[in-house]
Amino acid sequence: EAGVAQSPRYKIIEKRQSVAFWCNPISGHATLYWYQQILGQGPKLLIQFQNNGVVDDSQLPKDRFSAERLKGVDSTLKIQPAKLEDSAVYLCASSLAPPRGGGETQYFGPGTRLLVL
Amino acid sequence: GEDVEQSLFLSVREGDSSVINCTYTDSSSTYLYWYKQEPGAGLQLLTYIFSNMDMKQDQRLTVLLNKKDKHLSLRIADTQTGDSAIYLCAEAGYGGKLTFGTGTRLQVTL
Repeated sequence: EAGVAQSPRYKIIEKRQSVAFWCNPISGHATLYWYQQILGQGPKLLIQFQNNGVVDDSQLPKDRFSAERLKGVDSTLKIQPAKLEDSAVYLCASSLAPPRGGGETQYFGPGTRLLVL
Repeated sequence: GEDVEQSLFLSVREGDSSVINCTYTDSSSTYLYWYKQEPGAGLQLLTYIFSNMDMKQDQRLTVLLNKKDKHLSLRIADTQTGDSAIYLCAEAGYGGKLTFGTGTRLQVTL
């Protein structure tokens, strides 16, 4: 079974530029998550999708970050404009079904490492 | 709010047991997870425990949960150099949202 795919793996941009990340979840997984992991910290949830609808985006900085999952499969996360503090690893994860009290395992992709100069 | 804390670093000798500790604050957490993160890789789920359990064993891994003290531990028996990585504790709260600790870097020496 193929895992969660992400691209690009690395990206270097200058502040105020735009960047987009792509995620392809495990086939058949209805729930998709984007996490931000700053160096030395644990991952922090940015947004959670259930099929193509947003379940939780309370931690997403909506003035600069946006995400979509138009057909309920692939997802893109965009940052526009980027700031220095956005330097982090952006992890995508998917799970089979809506979490019921946390019982559905989340499978993670390799992440995209972003450096903002 | 939820908060998960871990010590930053642990060093053990190959063949010894490693014990990685975690404390959490959300008493309504239903599941608690241990993930392994190697350089340049995503998170690999190692094991999880349901909140009504005290212990779970899976080959070299033993998870202990003290719900009263909100303390979770991961014991790795016969630690190998391939176990060197960052170990992240996470609690699943409302709606399954995961809150992670900062991770414990395990260094295995020969």
